[in-house]
Amino acid sequence: GENVEQHPSTLSVQEGDSAVIKCTYSDSASNYFPWYKQELGKRPQLIIDIRSNVGEKKDQRIAVTLNKTAKHFSLHITETQPEDSAVYFCAASPLQAGTALIFGKGTTLSVSS
Amino acid sequence: GAGVSQSPSNKVTEKGKDVELRCDPISGHTALYWYRQRLGQGLEFLIYFQGNSAPDKSGLPSDRFSAERTGESVSTLTIQRTQQEDSAVYLCASSVGLAVKETQYFGPGTRLLVL
Repeated sequence: GENVEQHPSTLSVQEGDSAVIKCTYSDSASNYFPWYKQELGKRPQLIIDIRSNVGEKKDQRIAVTLNKTAKHFSLHITETQPEDSAVYFCAASPLQAGTALIFGKGTTLSVSS
Repeated sequence: GAGVSQSPSNKVTEKGKDVELRCDPISGHTALYWYRQRLGQGLEFLIYFQGNSAPDKSGLPSDRFSAERTGESVSTLTIQRTQQEDSAVYLCASSVGLAVKETQYFGPGTRLLVL
């Protein structure tokens, strides 16, 4: 089955810096890669996702890149703000319904002002 | 509209007792997922229901864990003979669940403590 590795487990940056979180996956059948943000004590929420027909997707300060050949994808946050502090989870699965979403272990991002 | 709800929000039980956790998905969502999140850890997939298909139980850690779903509505996760290592937050999520993957909406979770 699918296995998702996520690095780093913790990341500390200064406000205004960029943050990059990387994930690798094992199953070449995976073609759907969402990222979820979980603030302390709250439920995870989707922030961005990418499908294997594109290599990059951007939404304001957040971007995700995908290298399907190397089986890795990354989350990029530019101009970080204190409210970006949270745990970020990557996930992977085949695009079609009927298969489970497998998550990485999470990255705790701390943005200090 | 109403989001995913879960009950109870907190549950404290004694080792060896059975517990039942409930999830109410968003109305109309055919896909429902259960995850376990141990303190400071990631989201561990447990079980997935998709419409009337047989559930994907591949993530259930032992035969003490089971889950049911009535049609496309409420789901219950049952843990029999609870152990201290079962202590975690149990998260439920639902999605529209049509032909392709889309956003999973999470509930607030049930915090289970096994003494």
